[in-house]
Amino acid sequence: LAKTTQPISMDSYEGQEVNITCSHNNIATNDYITWYQQFPSQGPRFIIQGYKTKVTNEVASLFIPADRKSSTLSLPRVSLSDTAVYYCLVEAPPDKLIFGTGTRLQVFP
Amino acid sequence: GAVVSQHPSWVICKSGTSVKIECRSLDFQATTMFWYRQFPKQSLMLMATSNEGSKATYEQGVEKDKFLINHASLTLSTLTVTSAHPEDSSFYICSASWREGFNQPQHFGDGTRLSIL
Repeated sequence: LAKTTQPISMDSYEGQEVNITCSHNNIATNDYITWYQQFPSQGPRFIIQGYKTKVTNEVASLFIPADRKSSTLSLPRVSLSDTAVYYCLVEAPPDKLIFGTGTRLQVFP
Repeated sequence: GAVVSQHPSWVICKSGTSVKIECRSLDFQATTMFWYRQFPKQSLMLMATSNEGSKATYEQGVEKDKFLINHASLTLSTLTVTSAHPEDSSFYICSASWREGFNQPQHFGDGTRLSIL
């Protein structure tokens, strides 16, 4: 059964870089990896998407090794407002869309 | 851009009633819409996928007669929870994409919290 796993929680302080890893052993060849951010009682918000190597946008970077069995979301210089749950999403047969277990990031002042 | 509106944001109703939740893409045409269910402190679980003008594809274990999905236009999909019971209480979230298939970024609504008494 396909499964993605993430650390349950992480703590950080303002201004630090945070790296969250997602394991997705059964990722399909043509699948992309997408990361979302979710605040309480809200829907997830798109952060970044990638296929291989490294992708960077204005809010985050995504690192994907050659075997693509994992990915790492990097948040530079986090602030209190980055406290949220972060999910990775891949298409992994036979379960199609699979959200990761989610990582609760708590940022302290 | 890419705003998805979900209504209502919360609803409380008695057991046995049916509840309809609307999901609208406000500034784009959504060829595909997804419905998720999320229990407290858990991840999102995909319930069904719908493409405009065709029947929804339900995930294993999701009762299609219980959760009726309609995607009649490129900007609107509805989820009706029929004869709702307390165990149906959950946070329901829709998302929309303007390209077919998975792996395209989804744009999520803000969810509907359903409480069945």
